[in-house]
Amino acid sequence: GAGVSQTPSNKVTEKGKYVELRCDPISGHTALYWYRQSLGQGPEFLIYFQGTGAADDSGLPNDRFFAVRPEGSVSTLKIQRTERGDSAVYLCASSASRADTGELFFGEGSRLTVL
Amino acid sequence: QKEVEQNSGPLSVPEGAIASLNCTYSDRGSQSFFWYRQYSGKSPELIMFIYSNGDKEDGRFTAQLNKASQYVSLLIRDSQPSDSATYLCAVNLRDDKIIFGKGTRLHILP
Repeated sequence: GAGVSQTPSNKVTEKGKYVELRCDPISGHTALYWYRQSLGQGPEFLIYFQGTGAADDSGLPNDRFFAVRPEGSVSTLKIQRTERGDSAVYLCASSASRADTGELFFGEGSRLTVL
Repeated sequence: QKEVEQNSGPLSVPEGAIASLNCTYSDRGSQSFFWYRQYSGKSPELIMFIYSNGDKEDGRFTAQLNKASQYVSLLIRDSQPSDSATYLCAVNLRDDKIIFGKGTRLHILP
């Protein structure tokens, strides 16, 4: 596709359930970022990948959150034992090269609601 | 804790006037700086990036960077109603981790 694709666009789940959010970046983009955005707030950094490896995962809130990018393209953000506080829009962005020379292209986000 | 600070607004500016948005950052080693625009319910999109001290102009937009003061600003000339959005300041920390401020809501008054 032409842009960053995120699925699902909306996910409603119950507290304690497991959730996977998928991001398909722009073809050829080596850097991939995950952010979380709550209403009225800016995007909160979670993790970013250069290729297959997580270059910085310091923003993951706790060990319930995990992300992978096994082949250097599609990434999955995994949330175990969801809590109501996890409700937010999860944004994925990709970049063609080192991020200081290129812009981040964002997907439309996955809105997660934990009941 | 490395931070990016913005006034949340709302900032109300008459149509045709200059809108001035400001941002400060805490990490003195930060290398590059970005302004993103986010319409309600949409994802952020890049407006400007700047690396060097001074001004950078692109159409109606001017980004200003002062590394000594750790300050970045965005000027929007001839403000239009379509400029009404949230403007996010983003900073690339020296290790390519990009962090965002909370954003400033801009409202252009017709």
